[in-house]
Amino acid sequence: DAKTTQPTSMDCAEGRAANLPCNHSTISGNEYVYWYRQIHSQGPQYIIHGLKNNETNEMASLIITEDRKSSTLILPHATLRDTAVYYCISLRAGGTSYGKLTFGQGTILTVHP
Amino acid sequence: KAGVTQTPRYLIKTRGQQVTLSCSPISGHRSVSWYQQTPGQGLQFLFEYFSETQRNKGNFPGRFSGRQFSNSRSEMNVSTLELGDSALYLCASSLEPSKEELFFGEGSRLTVL
Repeated sequence: DAKTTQPTSMDCAEGRAANLPCNHSTISGNEYVYWYRQIHSQGPQYIIHGLKNNETNEMASLIITEDRKSSTLILPHATLRDTAVYYCISLRAGGTSYGKLTFGQGTILTVHP
Repeated sequence: KAGVTQTPRYLIKTRGQQVTLSCSPISGHRSVSWYQQTPGQGLQFLFEYFSETQRNKGNFPGRFSGRQFSNSRSEMNVSTLELGDSALYLCASSLEPSKEELFFGEGSRLTVL
């Protein structure tokens, strides 16, 4: 699975969009980009995933560049409850590798009033 | 529906003891995976079970073991505890091993003295 790099920390004002970048320059064609987040003292929470196309769900949007070397997670209207560590992972879905989620250090997003 | 339930939430053991942690997946989910999370190492994959069979195993010593029951509930056991085993142990479930979205429990925080 490709290595991902993320900024260590980011700040965002409540109500504004939070844009969290992730670099995955060695991603291969069959690897998806997944985003999870972990709020303090809780287990990680799945947010969204994508392969090539941009994706949107009730929590966030995922924008993947055309060359798939980077992506951005967008929380359109951040709230204080979105303060968490956000993890970007590239993973080949299915097969024997699935389940071996390896989280890096992630980005600590702090949403302030 | 109820989420992933892990018990106990907190426990304290001493070196040399053994511990058993329990995980009840979301109803209908048949795949359960276990992770160890520490501040220094981040989240590390332990093992994954599906239909009572271990499908994948991470790079942990034989002191770490697990099993899955016919109702998909899972347990993990750590024998001969060491100080370095102090961690948050997370269980995640999914419908099947190839499903992308993992649902995590809140974890069992183990402290070894």
